[in-house]
Amino acid sequence: NAGVMQNPRHLVRRRGQEARLRCSPVKGHSHVYWYRQLPEEGLKFMVYLQKENIIDESGMPKERFSAEFPKEGPSILRIQQVVRGDSAAYFCASSPGELNYGYTFGSGTRLTVV
Amino acid sequence: AQSVSQHNHHVILSEAASLELGCNYSYGGTVNLFWYVQYPGQHLQLLLKYFSGDPLVKGIKGFEAEFIKSKFSFNLRKPSVQWSDTAEYFCAVRNNQGGKLIFGQGTELSVKP
Repeated sequence: NAGVMQNPRHLVRRRGQEARLRCSPVKGHSHVYWYRQLPEEGLKFMVYLQKENIIDESGMPKERFSAEFPKEGPSILRIQQVVRGDSAAYFCASSPGELNYGYTFGSGTRLTVV
Repeated sequence: AQSVSQHNHHVILSEAASLELGCNYSYGGTVNLFWYVQYPGQHLQLLLKYFSGDPLVKGIKGFEAEFIKSKFSFNLRKPSVQWSDTAEYFCAVRNNQGGKLIFGQGTELSVKP
């Protein structure tokens, strides 16, 4: 009974490099959400995706950040040309989409930009 | 826009003390409400949720929360905390049509043995 799988757990990147974070939702879940957690702050919504569609990207920075959830494979959050301020924990959650269900969270990817 | 406010940033209690964590939300429509717990270094786990019906919701590990619509509140309670309850607690809201969760800033609970 696999939950939401995120990898890698820890990712170190130098400034200017690209970071790719992966999220495999719970089997049968077609909705994926990405959140960012900065030290001493709560979780900030970034983007909500369904298979092959971006439903709500109101929390995504306008530049350098992108997300996808292809028909096959995991959801990917991509950060281009990373800066130190991108250092954070990035959490993915999934849901089946039905209104009476909640969300299952992954263990997160901790990105450190050096 | 939806927003969630958690009044206490850090709460320190002794074991067996009672707990109440405040949560207020701002939203004009019908909402679903959640409390999550995050143990150190771990992912968020659902404690309880409210969708409709009885406003007093019971969750796991002895936690409960009461939805008071007139006060836009969903406070979390536990009659007697344990050292193992040391964690960060997050209140969250979404509109009842689904979609994204909006989180409060979290309350860090430290329970002294």
